[in-house]
Amino acid sequence: SSELTQDPAVSVALGQTVRITCQGDSLRSYYASWYQQKPGQAPVLVIYGKNNRPSGIPDRFSGSSSGNTASLTITGAQAEDEADYYCNSRDSSGNHHVVFGGGTKLTVL
Amino acid sequence: QVQLQESGPGLVKPSETLSLTCAVSGYSISSGYYWGWIRQPPGKGLEWIGSIYHSGSTYYNPSLKSRVTISVDTSKNQFSLKLSSVTAADTAVYYCARLVVGTAYYFDYWGQGTLVTVSS
Repeated sequence: SSELTQDPAVSVALGQTVRITCQGDSLRSYYASWYQQKPGQAPVLVIYGKNNRPSGIPDRFSGSSSGNTASLTITGAQAEDEADYYCNSRDSSGNHHVVFGGGTKLTVL
Repeated sequence: QVQLQESGPGLVKPSETLSLTCAVSGYSISSGYYWGWIRQPPGKGLEWIGSIYHSGSTYYNPSLKSRVTISVDTSKNQFSLKLSSVTAADTAVYYCARLVVGTAYYFDYWGQGTLVTVSS
């Protein structure tokens, strides 16, 4: 099966911009989607498709993709953005199979 | 608003079968979409377990395929997970979610999750 690779941890100063990346072969064919997860809570979808935000997600969250790498960018990070972030995509090795990245813990300093 | 709610035993003995149900409200499963199960061991990342289409077609994580069965009951608007021969490694929070497929595959609605502990 395919894999999606994320940096385990990233930090950003309050109000600054941070990029969280996700790498994998399947991203050459399918867009990544991104989830935010805070302690003790279920994941929340923040970006899906080319660069779409579900209703209620602030516009400081954006997504992009190039080759086998997808990125989630938070422009002007807020304290409440401190969380774990996961990417996911279709697993290119199986029909309708799904794969998640290992997650990135974002610390807002 | 689509809502999902997991239910089932919070404690399962080793070698037994874990059984969970996800009740869906605010949307009729028979209208479409895929529906999935995801788990998260304590302190670890998310793992896709498998998905089912409203017609009953199923798709499983190859690493769990031999032990997993996902089924759907459109009359009750719910779908279920069975995981056999469990061990302590299956201890996790189990989530159900709605899966959207296309040029992106993503889970747009999630249940709150239920912790299942495997222990004697």
